Amino acid sequence: QQPVQSPQAVILREGEDAVINCSSSKALYSVHWYRQKHGEAPVFLMILLKGGEQKGHEKISASFNEKKQQSSLYLTASQLSYSGTYFCGTEVGRGSTLGRLYFGRGTQLTVWP
Amino acid sequence: DTGVSQDPRHKITKRGQNVTFRCDPISEHNRLYWYRQTLGQGPEFLTYFQNEAQLEKSRLLSDRFSAERPKGSFSTLEIQRTEQGDSAMYLCASSFGQENSPLHFGNGTRLTVT
Repeated sequence: QQPVQSPQAVILREGEDAVINCSSSKALYSVHWYRQKHGEAPVFLMILLKGGEQKGHEKISASFNEKKQQSSLYLTASQLSYSGTYFCGTEVGRGSTLGRLYFGRGTQLTVWP
Repeated sequence: DTGVSQDPRHKITKRGQNVTFRCDPISEHNRLYWYRQTLGQGPEFLTYFQNEAQLEKSRLLSDRFSAERPKGSFSTLEIQRTEQGDSAMYLCASSFGQENSPLHFGNGTRLTVT
């Protein structure tokens, strides 16, 4: 039930845009996005629920295609601080399983000045 | 909000020894999760609690692993008879357990089994 992320790695110049994709073979209830810097804990970015789309940050947004069971994270005008590994976490149920996430293997984003 | 804290940050142990990790969640959160992360991988679910009740345990979790959350506050994860394959970062997270509730992760305990 692990989602598949692509690409595995992205290298950008400051100010460039990037898209990270996350797809699942299972019907999804929600998709969570997290960023993790080396040696640190994953930090929450945003949640997308079935039937909605949510923007969590100024230049970082995401979409959720329920029919295709896919989500994409959009990073515009990237900053040096965006560097890190981005994980999508997928939720397949409600109720007692709420918050129980399956994480992808991550996309390593590097932004150069 | 003091965040999720985990102790110890690092643990080196010899194969066959038992180890115990502690997690203190954000106090208002009723859900507590344990994940394991190895190099180049995303966090892998181990188990989670709703208050003091353990609601699910991953099939990947062998009988050598046990977790508790007495009184619905802090939690402990114990690994008995450690093996080299247990070497990983063990992450604890907590949440309100509702829609739109993100997971708040601690900095993890890095276990090295020699």
